[in-house]
Amino acid sequence: EDQVTQSPEALRLQEGESSSLNCSYTVSGLRGLFWYRQDPGKGPEFLFTLYSAGEEKEKERLKATLTKKESFLHITAPKPEDSATYLCAVRPYGNNRLAFGKGNQVVVIP
Amino acid sequence: EAGVTQFPSHSVIEKGQTVTLRCDPISGHDNLYWYRRVMGKEIKFLLHFVKESKQDESGMPNNRFLAERTGGTYSTLKVQPAELEDSGVYFCASSQFRDIEAFFGQGTRLTVV
Repeated sequence: EDQVTQSPEALRLQEGESSSLNCSYTVSGLRGLFWYRQDPGKGPEFLFTLYSAGEEKEKERLKATLTKKESFLHITAPKPEDSATYLCAVRPYGNNRLAFGKGNQVVVIP
Repeated sequence: EAGVTQFPSHSVIEKGQTVTLRCDPISGHDNLYWYRRVMGKEIKFLLHFVKESKQDESGMPNNRFLAERTGGTYSTLKVQPAELEDSGVYFCASSQFRDIEAFFGQGTRLTVV
């Protein structure tokens, strides 16, 4: 069964304090790894798709990287508006289902 | 462009009652997905439509859940009769093609009492 584990579960950062979130996955064959951001009371908001090991994507203060076993979401010089839960999901070969991790809850303190 | 829209945003029903959730995908998106998050757990897949056809319903918990997508447009998810363990947040997502990212709605929070 496809499994996604995210760590740490919760993270408090001072504004400007860079950090990384980890997503470890076990999947029969990776067709894509997705990062979403979720704010309280809202649905997941798409951030990035990564398809192969070594691939990197960037958007503002966020950078996602992918290896054969894990992905990292780097947050550089975070601002309070980066506070959210970040969700990692994998799509395996053979079906179109997304398998999600429980998320990384990030709080950025001014 | 309008995003994925779900109705209602909240629903509180008694055990044994019926509830119908609705999802309007992004216009032109043939792929529609239902997911659910129960408290303390990760978001889990329920089923996948391609146009009006059920492509994969392996995540549906049991036969109390019925999903339809009339004419390949909006979709409904009916729970009948509802049980306490059905409480959670139900998300709908859509995508234009199968291999790309899916866009999610804001979810329907279902509480069964």
